[in-house]
Amino acid sequence: SAVISQKPSRDICQRGTSLTIQCQVDSQVTMMFWYRQQPGQSLTLIATANQGSEATYESGFVIDKFPISRPNLTFSTLTVSNMSPEDSSIYLCSVEGRASNIQYFGAGTRLSVL
Amino acid sequence: GIQVEQSPPDLILQEGANSTLRCNFSDSVNNLQWFHQNPWGQLINLFYIPSGTKQNGRLSATTVATERYSLLYISSSQTTDSGVYFCAVGGKAGNTPLVFGKGTRLSVIA
Repeated sequence: SAVISQKPSRDICQRGTSLTIQCQVDSQVTMMFWYRQQPGQSLTLIATANQGSEATYESGFVIDKFPISRPNLTFSTLTVSNMSPEDSSIYLCSVEGRASNIQYFGAGTRLSVL
Repeated sequence: GIQVEQSPPDLILQEGANSTLRCNFSDSVNNLQWFHQNPWGQLINLFYIPSGTKQNGRLSATTVATERYSLLYISSSQTTDSGVYFCAVGGKAGNTPLVFGKGTRLSVIA
């Protein structure tokens, strides 16, 4: 299994500002995944973060808006830049367990942009 | 990419009733998980079930990989079962992200 700690758990931000979300895993993992869940919607993959290389972004998500860092095998950050109310969502990080294909999720960061 | 369809989108049950949630997917998968999202947004992993049948208390799940569908059974439902149930699948290779269905929103009424 994998235990994932995500910070902050929630935040209220002003438009035009940026927020960095941290994701810490209790074991070394190759890839970390970042998802967004807009209000009342399902989860959508933002990007895949592989240690030592640039993150791979899904269609509709760009690095300037959602820069990701992956400095080591247990940690990643996602920044939501130049926020607007449309960025109000839950942001979740996820990893795959070392001994299985099971994916584990952090508790999420609930972001509200005013 | 893989498409995931869940049905029904919404379900209202009387406490004590049974229900079946369905998940259809469009391609072969090496990962299929069922999640319950609680009111605080936490995704709780119910089952990892790319094939076969599993049971955990009042919940059970069956995946027929050859026919590309999975079923989640909830028996003797309780109000605490309310929330959104997601089916998510992963592609053929390991370490691939999950593709989520739109979910089934379940409301259990006392």
